[in-house]
Amino acid sequence: EDQVTQSPEALRLQEGESSSLNCSYTVSGLRGLFWYRQDPGKGPEFLFTLYSAGEEKEKERLKATLTKKESFLHITAPKPEDSATYLCAVEEGMGKTSYDKVIFGPGTSLSVIP
Amino acid sequence: DAGITQSPRHKVTETGTPVTLRCHQTENHRYMYWYRQDPGHGLRLIHYSYGVKDTDKGEVSDGYSVSRSKTEDFLLTLESATSSQTSVYFCAISDPGTDTYEQYFGPGTRLTVT
Repeated sequence: EDQVTQSPEALRLQEGESSSLNCSYTVSGLRGLFWYRQDPGKGPEFLFTLYSAGEEKEKERLKATLTKKESFLHITAPKPEDSATYLCAVEEGMGKTSYDKVIFGPGTSLSVIP
Repeated sequence: DAGITQSPRHKVTETGTPVTLRCHQTENHRYMYWYRQDPGHGLRLIHYSYGVKDTDKGEVSDGYSVSRSKTEDFLLTLESATSSQTSVYFCAISDPGTDTYEQYFGPGTRLTVT
């Protein structure tokens, strides 16, 4: 069964304490893996797309990496404003001639304490 | 921010009444989606559209219908609302001109069915 899992479910960090969030996936054909940030009461905000194993993307204190079965979102020296829920999603499919299924993970709720 | 608006932003309705949610985009993206987000379930696809008058079902489509008569508007209708349809509804858009279906989300509609 195709699925996307994320761990931990919740993470509490002190400001400046670096850590990583995990996204593990089981799909038949990966076309892309996405990371989103979601603040309370708002829609998910797109962060990164990763296409193949070994790829890395960075944005400010965030760095996303991808292997064949999982992705990590590394947060370096986090600040309180990084507090949010981080969602991972996987696109599977054979091409763009029809809709490629996107499966969302349940998210990791990150709290950064000053 | 992607130009996506949703209306209404909040709605309380009674069981058995019809409800229509509207999503409007100014990005001229071909694909539009309706999701619901519930605690413990994450984001689940209700219906999607790949062009004007072209729609298809997602994983939780029972009790919902959609219409798209213009590129910019995608309507979600609950024909007879039930308490199980209390949720937060998100509209999303994507552009098949990119390599993958990375999606951009609207601000959400919080629907309560009493």
